Amino acid sequence: EAGVAQSPRYKIIEKRQSVAFWCNPISGHATLYWYQQILGQGPKLLIQFQNNGVVDDSQLPKDRFSAERLKGVDSTLKIQPAKLEDSAVYLCASSLLPRTPVFGNTIYFGEGSWLTVV
Amino acid sequence: AQSVTQLDSHVSVSEGTPVLLRCNYSSSYSPSLFWYVQHPNKGLQLLLKYTSAATLVKGINGFEAEFKKSETSFHLTKPSAHMSDAAEYFCVVSTKQYNNNDMRFGAGTRLTVKP
Repeated sequence: EAGVAQSPRYKIIEKRQSVAFWCNPISGHATLYWYQQILGQGPKLLIQFQNNGVVDDSQLPKDRFSAERLKGVDSTLKIQPAKLEDSAVYLCASSLLPRTPVFGNTIYFGEGSWLTVV
Repeated sequence: AQSVTQLDSHVSVSEGTPVLLRCNYSSSYSPSLFWYVQHPNKGLQLLLKYTSAATLVKGINGFEAEFKKSETSFHLTKPSAHMSDAAEYFCVVSTKQYNNNDMRFGAGTRLTVKP
């Protein structure tokens, strides 16, 4: 079974430039997440989609970050303009949408997109 | 609100010796607890999870963890470390059904395995 695919794996940009990351979740997974992982810290949720609707974007810096999930499959995360503090790994993850109440649904992560802002 | 505290930022063991990575959680409700592992330049991989069934949970690669409600702990153990276990380990707590956006990650513990 193919895992969560992300691209590009690595990106270096100057501050105030823009960047976009792409994610293809595991086939059949209705829920898609974007996490930000700053060096030395655990991942922090930026945004969660269920199909093509946003479930939670409370921690997304909306003045510079945007994300979309057209057609409920692939997703794109954009940063414009980038700041130095945006240097991090951006992790995409996906999970099934359970039909019955479930406790602790497993989330599957991609390998991440490493962003360095200089 | 819930949170996790990983008590050690770095643990170093010799190959063949036991591994103990400590995690304490805080949660207003019955939690789900997970351990994920992250190898260098790789994505996060689920090791094991506790979801209110058996308190001793066995995961992949010989790891296991025990949920102790009285101590609010979910420590990760392995009887004998292997060189390939060297990685970053994250303890995660979640309390929502259906919706996983309440997953809170700890800061991580870096495990080093010496030959």
